[in-house]
Amino acid sequence: QQQVKQSPQSLIVQKGGIPIINCAYENTAFDYFPWYQQFPGKGPALLIAIRPDVSEKKEGRFTISFNKSAKQFSLHIMDSQPGDSATYFCAASIWGTYKYIFGTGTRLKVLA
Amino acid sequence: DVKVTQSSRYLVKRTGEKVFLECVQDMDHENMFWYRQDPGLGLRLIYFSYDVKMKEKGDIPEGYSVSREKKERFSLILESASTNQTSMYLCASNEGFQPQHFGDGTRLSIL
Repeated sequence: QQQVKQSPQSLIVQKGGIPIINCAYENTAFDYFPWYQQFPGKGPALLIAIRPDVSEKKEGRFTISFNKSAKQFSLHIMDSQPGDSATYFCAASIWGTYKYIFGTGTRLKVLA
Repeated sequence: DVKVTQSSRYLVKRTGEKVFLECVQDMDHENMFWYRQDPGLGLRLIYFSYDVKMKEKGDIPEGYSVSREKKERFSLILESASTNQTSMYLCASNEGFQPQHFGDGTRLSIL
């Protein structure tokens, strides 16, 4: 119930491609879904977040799609660049609580 | 700009030692967190603190304790280090229920 399942574990795309990372959850009480980006040797940094009252949110080349009925959300990276190569984590929390549940991470490599 | 600073980037200790990991934030945040990050397991919460001297156990508190004597500083303590505590440790902080800001991590090896 408390898990967030993330896939794939790793992903390789060509420059300009659109990598998609998927997450699924069980707990319907979750109502805040952030994505974090982590470069080697650095801590995770907030990339984009969504609340379940919208089905899509865009920030620059990054888009979150949210399917409340399926309890799934995904990250799309448009026109991916080698500089996007990083590990991406999805997370879920209940707004008003302190605790985040993180996915297991996706290592993305964008080839030049 | 938000800054969470972890005192050591790399640390090597021996089995049975008492180990201290330190974290300082400069944003006057109420909440601070300690996670460990392991390949294939993501980030798992060890402990968090929502005020000075206040703490709550996370998902994997066994073998760890914490101390928060000042608002800006949150310490993670391995009472008697074991090899299965070799990991990357991440500290984070936030205000209220806003997104968490992370430090760059301490890679701890227990020999």
